[in-house]
Amino acid sequence: EAAVTQSPRNKVTVTGGNVTLSCRQTNSHNYMYWYRQDTGHGLRLIHYSYGAGNLQIGDVPDGYKATRTTQEDFFLLLELASPSQTSLYFCASSASRGRDEQYFGPGTRLTVL
Amino acid sequence: AQSVTQPDARVTVSEGASLQLRCKYSYSGTPYLFWYVQYPRQGLQLLLKYYSGDPVVQGVNGFEAEFSKSNSSFHLRKASVHWSDSAVYFCVLGNSAGNKLTFGIGTRVLVRP
Repeated sequence: EAAVTQSPRNKVTVTGGNVTLSCRQTNSHNYMYWYRQDTGHGLRLIHYSYGAGNLQIGDVPDGYKATRTTQEDFFLLLELASPSQTSLYFCASSASRGRDEQYFGPGTRLTVL
Repeated sequence: AQSVTQPDARVTVSEGASLQLRCKYSYSGTPYLFWYVQYPRQGLQLLLKYYSGDPVVQGVNGFEAEFSKSNSSFHLRKASVHWSDSAVYFCVLGNSAGNKLTFGIGTRVLVRP
């Protein structure tokens, strides 16, 4: 069965802090995504990648960096965290960009104080 | 531009009753349409998807959806809900090029015993 795991599941940091969220997929999928979920907005795409070393900008990229080190691993980096980045973050993977099912991880709840 | 509207933020139904969740989309091309469900403290899971053909598509757990091109809609239905159907349901629109997904803001369903 397709699997996407995320770590940590919960994270609290202070304004200006550095945060790295990790995602691993064992689906052999080319595409991986980072989303944030906020009440009233649904899911919004931050960054995505279609392979190791590749990075594409999503719809709400400001304040976020991402890196895809291998086909399995995709990281989201917040180098100067701000309270507006308090959110629930999801990683997902899929075989293709917009026509195939996306498999989601369980989410990481980030609080920036 | 493409967009998805889920007009009902919350729906409450009694166990055993029928359920309909509304989804309207705006897109000039041929849409790819999905319904995802998010159970508490979990990531999103695919319920069903529509690309072409029979406008009524069957999904998991007794859910079905009906595509209407004339109404630009993709409503989700279930004949008899169970308490375990309490969750947030997302309507998702993909473009014909397969390179963009747009999520609705979600409808929270509460099934009363």
